[in-house]
Order: sequence, then structure tokens, then C-alpha cells
Amino acid sequence: TQLLEQSPQFLSIQEGENLTVYCNSSSVFSSLQWYRQEPGEGPVLLVTVVTGGEVKKLKRLTFQFGDARKDSSLHITAAQPGDTGLYLCAGEENDSWGKLQFGAGTQVVVTP
Amino acid sequence: DADVTQTPRNRITKTGKRIMLECSQTKGHDRMYWYRQDPGLGLRLIYYSFDVKDINKGEISDGYSVSRQAQAKFSLSLESAIPNQTALYFCATSDSSGGAYNEQFFGPGTRLTVL
Repeated sequence: TQLLEQSPQFLSIQEGENLTVYCNSSSVFSSLQWYRQEPGEGPVLLVTVVTGGEVKKLKRLTFQFGDARKDSSLHITAAQPGDTGLYLCAGEENDSWGKLQFGAGTQVVVTP
Repeated sequence: DADVTQTPRNRITKTGKRIMLECSQTKGHDRMYWYRQDPGLGLRLIYYSFDVKDINKGEISDGYSVSRQAQAKFSLSLESAIPNQTALYFCATSDSSGGAYNEQFFGPGTRLTVL
């Protein structure tokens, strides 16, 4: 059983549409990170959120950390083909200092 | 040049063979990690090291061993490879200093196939 559950597992949308990816857990995290992975490459860090209720924006990407620090969401506005990739959330639990738990990922495909 | 490099990038081997995957980093980070990635399961931690003299098992260490030869080098060995070790393997680094939240930097991965 994954400590971090991501939904949906797969998302296919047209260019210009919006999408939201969710990352949920019953555990509390001291920090939560989002990564994007493209085929043949390793994951690349997009953002880190650390405060309950925190919202961070990265161009067309908006990241939110839940008030209780158990869940997070990633919203993409006006998706573009370059947003295609596997989106992974990863959390550091309070008692697992130095280690991350990863979700299984959401595969996003944006078609022109 | 890449900050985190892995060799080889692809490897096909047979059951029972000993395999070593190597990771080098130029980021100057103290922490290094080995993960495997399987479809639908995300990244699972095999071993991690917080400095040259520190080695820790992750959640799936059985069948694997590691060596931290220097701060910049961390190798993963499969003593006797089996088919269910077929996966993508990633090395990652992070920096414990400066208040960083364990943000990790990944290598490009090694695709290992065990026949």
C-alpha cells in the first residue's frame, strides 16, 4: 500500500485545458515535494511546500499543501504539450528525517 | 555536464549474475540514495547514505548491497540478479546543510533487465 496516493493515475487532455492532480495520505508530512519526470530521464524537482495551507505558483502551475499537511494538489492552467510527463509527489514524514516517500505518479498527456 | 551521473544507462544480464550500478555526483552533496522504479509503484528506496561512513537500508534492500566509496560515489550491487529485479534504477543526492527540505536531485537512471 502506497503511503501517498495519487489520483488520477492517468490524465489525457487537449492543449489549453486545465487539470488537477491530487496527492493524499493519512500521514502528516513536514514537507511535500512535486517532481516531473520525462521519458528516459530522472525526476526533476518542481516545488517544495512546508506550511499547512501554503500555495505556491510556478508560471501556470499552482501547488497547494493541505491545512493538516496530509495532502497536496497540483493545478495546471491552460496546459501545453510541454507539460506532458509523469508527476510525482513525495513527502518527508516528521519521524523519517532525510527520507522521502513517493506516490506512484500521475501520467499527464497534453495533445496539441 | 550532468551533476549526477549513472553508469551504465542500460544493462541486460542473466539470472545469477553479479551486477554493479555506479553513481557519481559533482554537486558536493552529503546524502545519496538508490531507488528503483516500477510501473504503477513509483519510486521505492533501496539504500541511503548520509555520509561516507553511514549506510542505511531502505524499504526494499533484500537482494541488494551498496558501497559509499567517497562522498561523490555511491554504488549499488545485485549479488545474484533475479528477473523481478528488472526495473529502472535511480541514484539521487540531497544536501543536509542550509535548511534544505531534503530536495533531491536525480541521475538519468539505469534500465536493468534480468533474463
